[in-house]
Amino acid sequence: AQTVTQSQPEMSVQEAETVTLSCTYDTSESDYYLFWYKQPPSRQMILVIRQEAYKQQNATENRFSVNFQKAAKSFSLKISDSQLGDAAMYFCAYRSTNAGKSTFGDGTTLTVKP
Amino acid sequence: DTGVSQNPRHKITKRGQNVTFRCDPISEHNRLYWYRQTLGQGPEFLTYFQNEAQLEKSRLLSDRFSAERPKGSFSTLEIQRTEQGDSAMYLCASNFGGRGAGQETQYFGPGTRLLVL
Repeated sequence: AQTVTQSQPEMSVQEAETVTLSCTYDTSESDYYLFWYKQPPSRQMILVIRQEAYKQQNATENRFSVNFQKAAKSFSLKISDSQLGDAAMYFCAYRSTNAGKSTFGDGTTLTVKP
Repeated sequence: DTGVSQNPRHKITKRGQNVTFRCDPISEHNRLYWYRQTLGQGPEFLTYFQNEAQLEKSRLLSDRFSAERPKGSFSTLEIQRTEQGDSAMYLCASNFGGRGAGQETQYFGPGTRLLVL
């Protein structure tokens, strides 16, 4: 079974600075997808960024980028120019190629200080 | 399109009572998922449907839990004889699934928060 581990329960960053959230996963599969989701307080979860395992190029979405290290089974999220609206819980998730379900980590709570 | 909706948003019940939650997915989505999220943890998969067929159930889904999607549109999740350990946020998500569906974004609803007293 796949597992996803987020080793940082809480992180904080100063507004306008950069922060990196860590995620590691365990799988025996060679093809899969990895996701970062954002869950603001009392609001619904939304997708931040997605990475296909067969792609060597790291995904980027505006201020959000990932560092995908397939051999190390590591998938970190970098948030540049942090904004107050980035404050939320961030979840790393794994999904097999043809799967339905996602497997989530336990999340990292990000605080952004003005 | 207003996204995935869930009702009720909050439910307080007494131990031993039955509760039912409803999820309305995005209209063109054929897959619908149920997850449970307890405080301080990530969502845990419960079950999912493709159209009206229930394709996978987690071991977390005990015999007190049942989910249906009778016409392939909305879904209900029922918990019978609730226990205090059932207190959690129940999340619904939907997407369009088929071959290679793993890449398809899952769109989440706001969740139903259940408190069992």
